[in-house]
Amino acid sequence: AQSVTQLDSQVPVFEEAPVELRCNYSSSVSVYLFWYVQYPNQGLQLLLKYLSGSTLVKGINGFEAEFNKSQTSFHLRKPSVHISDTAEYFCAVRARGSQGNLIFGKGTKLSVKP
Amino acid sequence: NAGVTQTPKFRILKIGQSMTLQCTQDMNHNYMYWYRQDPGMGLKLIYYSVGAGITDKGEVPNGYNVSRSTTEDFPLRLELAAPSQTSVYFCASRGQGPTNTEAFFGQGTRLTVV
Repeated sequence: AQSVTQLDSQVPVFEEAPVELRCNYSSSVSVYLFWYVQYPNQGLQLLLKYLSGSTLVKGINGFEAEFNKSQTSFHLRKPSVHISDTAEYFCAVRARGSQGNLIFGKGTKLSVKP
Repeated sequence: NAGVTQTPKFRILKIGQSMTLQCTQDMNHNYMYWYRQDPGMGLKLIYYSVGAGITDKGEVPNGYNVSRSTTEDFPLRLELAAPSQTSVYFCASRGQGPTNTEAFFGQGTRLTVV
């Protein structure tokens, strides 16, 4: 079984500041890793994913994440945030192979202030 | 591109009533999922399906039923609605095979049971 821990439930930050949203996971098998974003009153949209290969993955809207196998982490970063980045961010894992289901963390609300 | 479509977007039910949340996808995906999202709790898997005629329970199936008679449709049935089923419900789908790692989400159905 897999589990995901998002270490911060809320992250307030000023516009143009850097941000890191932390995610740790637990799994007895190899996994795929994902970050999704949810804007207010909308569905979830994929930001980026790690499948294999380079541990630094780049996504949409200037976000990137680094997979660290030894620390079982997949932290999301952005060097300079905008007001429009205000949203809830979810880290998720899925066991490799066809049958695995997405397991989500509890989410981190990013609030960008002017 | 329609993607994953959920109806209705909003619904208020009285305790004991029943209803069906509709979900349809036009991407010919084999895998379909129902999640519920509660504040601060992330998304919990209710039921999933790996193809027409095949469904299975997720983490929180009690009080719900599903069917999958076609590839496109995956309705979620609530019998005897209870206040604990007040939530936002998301349907998602995913293709099969090693390149289909991403799940696509609908816009959600916000259900209130009073």
